[in-house]
Amino acid sequence: DGGITQSPKYLFRKEGQNVTLSCEQNLNHDAMYWYRQDPGQGLRLIYYSQIVNDFQKGDIAEGYSVSREKKESFPLTVTSAQKNPTAFYLCASSLSHSYNEQFFGPGTRLTVL
Amino acid sequence: AQTVTQSQPEMSVQEAETVTLSCTYDTSESDYYLFWYKQPPSRQMILVIRQEAYKQQNATENRFSVNFQKAAKSFSLKISDSQLGDAAMYFCAYLENYGGSQGNLIFGKGTKLSVKP
Repeated sequence: DGGITQSPKYLFRKEGQNVTLSCEQNLNHDAMYWYRQDPGQGLRLIYYSQIVNDFQKGDIAEGYSVSREKKESFPLTVTSAQKNPTAFYLCASSLSHSYNEQFFGPGTRLTVL
Repeated sequence: AQTVTQSQPEMSVQEAETVTLSCTYDTSESDYYLFWYKQPPSRQMILVIRQEAYKQQNATENRFSVNFQKAAKSFSLKISDSQLGDAAMYFCAYLENYGGSQGNLIFGKGTKLSVKP
């Protein structure tokens, strides 16, 4: 089955630790995205990548980093510089950045203790 | 900057009835896309319906339809014959189209829809 997988579903970390969230897609999509969702808020774009080895900052990139070494993978690292990292993180992909429909993964709930 | 506003934080509908969720947006562009996404308790985002701004005809997907008023910058979602499975958060989203190269999705804060049996 084609789709987007995110792991783990729930993640707990101590304050001050970096943590990496996984996102994998087998849809052969060029573009991938990371969003953050907080209670009572819509989704906000953290980073996006239009093609392998290229990525762009979104609206709230501070305290986050990404890499895109493979077409199917777009991991997100939440660094200790992110002041309020507890949130729900959603990964998405689209055929290309010029194609309008984005498909979403099931999300990862990150809790920093 | 473009903004998307959903003025109804929560809505409730009786099973089999019809409900309309509101969305307004602010843009100076003429070419863009609008979306309604559904997020059920599983939190998986699901595309419900898409509208292209240059198309005057309102989009329809089975029990879901939109009322797109471009001049008023309004994009409401109508759910007919509501079912228990329609209970979810609904997000309105906007995407600019720069002649084939697009901007990023901008989401509203969502409307929580409850369906009463």
